[in-house]
Amino acid sequence: QSALTQPASVSGSPGQSITISCTGTSSDVGGYDFVSWFQQHPGKAPKLIIFKVNNRPSGVPDRFSGSKSGTTASLTISGLQADDEAVYHCSSFTSTYSRVFGGGTKLTVL
Amino acid sequence: QVQLVQSGSVMKKPGASVKVSCKASGYSFTTHRLSWVRQVPGQGLEWMGYSNTNTGKSTVVQGFTGRFVFSFDTSVNTAYLQIISLQTEDTAVYYCARHHDPYDILTGPDYWGQGTLITVST
Repeated sequence: QSALTQPASVSGSPGQSITISCTGTSSDVGGYDFVSWFQQHPGKAPKLIIFKVNNRPSGVPDRFSGSKSGTTASLTISGLQADDEAVYHCSSFTSTYSRVFGGGTKLTVL
Repeated sequence: QVQLVQSGSVMKKPGASVKVSCKASGYSFTTHRLSWVRQVPGQGLEWMGYSNTNTGKSTVVQGFTGRFVFSFDTSVNTAYLQIISLQTEDTAVYYCARHHDPYDILTGPDYWGQGTLITVST
């Protein structure tokens, strides 16, 4: 199973909005609404911020939102804050009853 | 609250074996699948497979078959990852992660352990 495709890096200024894409195939992202997004700060474990494409766990601010169109899922962060600077990983369920991750996107808050 | 606590970082020589533990608390251990995820320093996350703590079956995905063994002990709510015949390229942080939905892996992981760094070096 090939990794999902994410941009290596994105950046934005405080208060702005950014979107991170996650492109897969019809066998993963395009075939199922089981896309998750994780935030990972340096030296820390990943933290779930979006599940089932657009659902937020309790405690995750509504500045984080997810969507999907075809084989591409997206994570949008609005009202960027300094603490949002982290690596963001997407993940999807696949047709082989497994899961696959993207390569990760480093978000820099300028 | 749900917690996954992993054993500490270790350094091993090539050819040795290592066993990482992941102790779960705050939920029914046999209800939720438990996955293992590898992260090579500076790289992304790789899903290694999962343990079905209800049926006893573990699934290791292609690329990790052979030297990577999952097991668990329901009497102590602990999952284990054993790596046999370590190679230098096994140097990575290994995470255990609980899946969100009971009895399935569809939704993906929600709670993660803190990670265990395995360093393989001569």
